[in-house]
Amino acid sequence: AQSVTQLGSHVSVSEGALVLLRCNYSSSVPPYLFWYVQYPNQGLQLLLKYTTGATLVKGINGFEAEFKKSETSFHLTKPSAHMSDAAEYFCAVSSQAGTALIFGKGTTLSVSS
Amino acid sequence: SQTIHQWPATLVQPVGSPLSLECTVEGTSNPNLYWYRQAAGRGLQLLFYSIGIDQISSEVPQNLSASRPQDRQFILSSKKLLLSDSGFYLCAWAPTGTEAFFGQGTRLTVV
Repeated sequence: AQSVTQLGSHVSVSEGALVLLRCNYSSSVPPYLFWYVQYPNQGLQLLLKYTTGATLVKGINGFEAEFKKSETSFHLTKPSAHMSDAAEYFCAVSSQAGTALIFGKGTTLSVSS
Repeated sequence: SQTIHQWPATLVQPVGSPLSLECTVEGTSNPNLYWYRQAAGRGLQLLFYSIGIDQISSEVPQNLSASRPQDRQFILSSKKLLLSDSGFYLCAWAPTGTEAFFGQGTRLTVV
């Protein structure tokens, strides 16, 4: 079975500061990993994904994440936060077998000026 | 290009009433389809997924059911709603083994 743990249900940063959202996964097969963003009362939008190949993946809006197999982690970072980054962020895992995405409980990012 | 439609956007229903939420996908064939429920602080809970017409797997025993009468149509139903069925319901589709694409969601309030 696969699972995702997002450390910290709420993260607060100042505008211009580094954003770090943590995600650890559990999977018995090579994982596919995803980060999604959700704005209030909307669906989820894909930020970035890791399937195979390069372990550092870049996504939209300046976000990136690094797959670390030894640490079973896929943390999301952004060098400089913008006010518009305030939202809820979800990490998810699936596998090459095409199983459904399993999501973490989400992290709410607040950005203050 | 592929699009996913989910309706209604909001719904207020009394306890004990039936439910029908519909989701359709355009621009693709034989997609994997999913229903998720989102409750505050609990992330997205996978409710049902379907790999083809009339092929549906239930992930969590509950008061809900799902049907896929056509290739690109996925319906979430209940015969009698409970207060605990309130939440934000999201439909999604996915090519096998890749990311899921989500609809805009339905906010269900059971009163």
